[in-house]
Amino acid sequence: EAQVTQNPRYLITVTGKKLTVTCSQNMNHEYMSWYRQDPGLGLRQIYYSMNVEVTDKGDVPEGYKVSRKEKRNFPLILESPSPNQTSLYFCASSWAATQYFGPGTRLTVL
Amino acid sequence: GNSVTQMEGPVTLSEEAFLTINCTYTATGYPSLFWYVQYPGEGLQLLLKATKADDKGSNKGFEATYRKETTSFHLEKGSVQVSDSAVYFCARGSGNTGKLIFGQGTTLQVKP
Repeated sequence: EAQVTQNPRYLITVTGKKLTVTCSQNMNHEYMSWYRQDPGLGLRQIYYSMNVEVTDKGDVPEGYKVSRKEKRNFPLILESPSPNQTSLYFCASSWAATQYFGPGTRLTVL
Repeated sequence: GNSVTQMEGPVTLSEEAFLTINCTYTATGYPSLFWYVQYPGEGLQLLLKATKADDKGSNKGFEATYRKETTSFHLEKGSVQVSDSAVYFCARGSGNTGKLIFGQGTTLQVKP
């Protein structure tokens, strides 16, 4: 089954404790991205990647890092999480301008 | 600027009512346009799309027509069901990067 998977689905952590949210797709898509969803703001792009080893900032990149060492994986890294990064995060991969989303990771930073 | 604007929700309808969710966009050129749906506790799913002016996207009884004159892509359904209760996002493509710019989402609640 073609899909985008994310882990973990839910995470509660404390300020400053580094964390990684994994994302993997099995559709061989070159383009992948991360979004955060906040009430009243819709989805905003954090980072995107056009291909392996090619990443670039989206609209709200501050406080986040990404890497793209393999085509299928695109982890999101929060080196020092803060409460304003409490949000619902979605990974997506794209083909022909259509994005396919993962199930989401709900992150709470205390 | 480049943005997508949706009507504010929540929209509350009775089953079998007619649905319209308005969406307008600003952009240079003619981007692809999308409607995504998010059911409770799930990720976003593509509902329909249109890639050029006057195209009509349709799926599951929902329709939207790409209107370049009014820069709009309103979502419609003739007869909603309780199972259509979800959050609906309008989005437009951005250049050749694959990026999407989303509206803020509209919550639809359908009551039996």
